[in-house]
Amino acid sequence: AQTVTQSQPEMSVQEAETVTLSCTYDTSESDYYLFWYKQPPSRQMILVIRQEAYKQQNATENRFSVNFQKAAKSFSLKISDSQLGDAAMYFCASYGGATNKLIFGTGTLLAVQP
Amino acid sequence: EADIYQTPRYLVIGTGKKITLECSQTMGHDKMYWYQQDPGMELHLIHYSYGVNSTEKGDLSSESTVSRIRTEHFPLTLESARPSHTSQYLCASSELGQGAGETQYFGPGTRLLVL
Repeated sequence: AQTVTQSQPEMSVQEAETVTLSCTYDTSESDYYLFWYKQPPSRQMILVIRQEAYKQQNATENRFSVNFQKAAKSFSLKISDSQLGDAAMYFCASYGGATNKLIFGTGTLLAVQP
Repeated sequence: EADIYQTPRYLVIGTGKKITLECSQTMGHDKMYWYQQDPGMELHLIHYSYGVNSTEKGDLSSESTVSRIRTEHFPLTLESARPSHTSQYLCASSELGQGAGETQYFGPGTRLLVL
């Protein structure tokens, strides 16, 4: 079975600073993908970044990057130069080719202080 | 933003009423999903579909039903709403055939309150 764990229910960061959101996962599959989704208050859930498990290189998308530690089953999200618009609930998720389902963590609520 | 739409965005309804939550996407995606999300909590898959005339139950037991008569449309129906159905319902879609790397695109959600 797949599980995704986010141990930080809430985080706070000062504007322009860097913050790291933690995520660990467990899966028995060899072929899987990992995602970070962002859900702003009362707004649409959108994809932030995605990582193919077979790739060793960490994914990067502008100010967002991941630290993918496959052996440790860790998939953290780093947000650099935080902006007020980054304030949202962030969900880590995993998708396995055998189960064909996206499994979500419980989310981390990120506050950005001006 | 992804081209996936949900109506209504908000719905307050009395116990026992029949309701249908609409979801449409214009991306031509084969796979569609319904998730249930309580405030500040994770998403739970309640239904999904691989294409027209395909519907499957998800991991979370739900008294709702779905249909997929057209590729772009995936409505969810509650025959008799109860207060326990109060939640947010998110619709999503993805392209079939991307293997394990499919990215799901989400609609804005429907917030349902059953009195």
